[in-house]
Amino acid sequence: GEDVEQSLFLSVREGDSSVINCTYTDSSSTYLYWYKQEPGAGLQLLTYIFSNMDMKQDQRLTVLLNKKDKHLSLRIADTQTGDSAIYFCAEGPASKLTFGTGTRLQVTL
Amino acid sequence: DTGVSQDPRHKITKRGQNVTFRCDPISEHNRLYWYRQTLGQGPEFLTYFQNEAQLEKSRLLSDRFSAERPKGSFSTLEIQRTEQGDSAMYLCASSLVERPYEQYFGPGTRLTVT
Repeated sequence: GEDVEQSLFLSVREGDSSVINCTYTDSSSTYLYWYKQEPGAGLQLLTYIFSNMDMKQDQRLTVLLNKKDKHLSLRIADTQTGDSAIYFCAEGPASKLTFGTGTRLQVTL
Repeated sequence: DTGVSQDPRHKITKRGQNVTFRCDPISEHNRLYWYRQTLGQGPEFLTYFQNEAQLEKSRLLSDRFSAERPKGSFSTLEIQRTEQGDSAMYLCASSLVERPYEQYFGPGTRLTVT
């Protein structure tokens, strides 16, 4: 079955880059996604990447996809305190996403 | 603001009671999804609708759970005979059928079963 794994916690200093990693199992996924969840809030779609791409850049966000290793990463440049949140990787057909357990990003001053 | 809305935001109920949650999707979105999120976990897919048709249901959706979207607009999720294990955040999302990869989530309904 589908499985998505992420490390639980990442701490970075303000202004540094953050890199959040994810591995997935379903090689048939057409898209892979990154969502952000702030405390007490729903999920915010940050970005997604089509499976035939290996990189996508959107302002401070860079997504890298390694299909061979089934590895997805999200890089946040110039990390700010407002980036503190839980970040979820997700895969699957668009009708039925499978999410990882989330990586809590802590940004310190 | 025309984002996804959910009501209520919080619900506390006693074990054995029935509860119903409502989701109002973004107005032009014809797909609507329900997910459940327990503490420390990512959301888990429950079911989704395209217009009023319920097209897929997860095995997580036991026979105590029922979801409807009678007019293809808002949706309700009912849990009968609640159990403590039903305590979770219930999230609703919506999308256009032509852009299913852009799901927009509501703030969720947090259910606590005592």
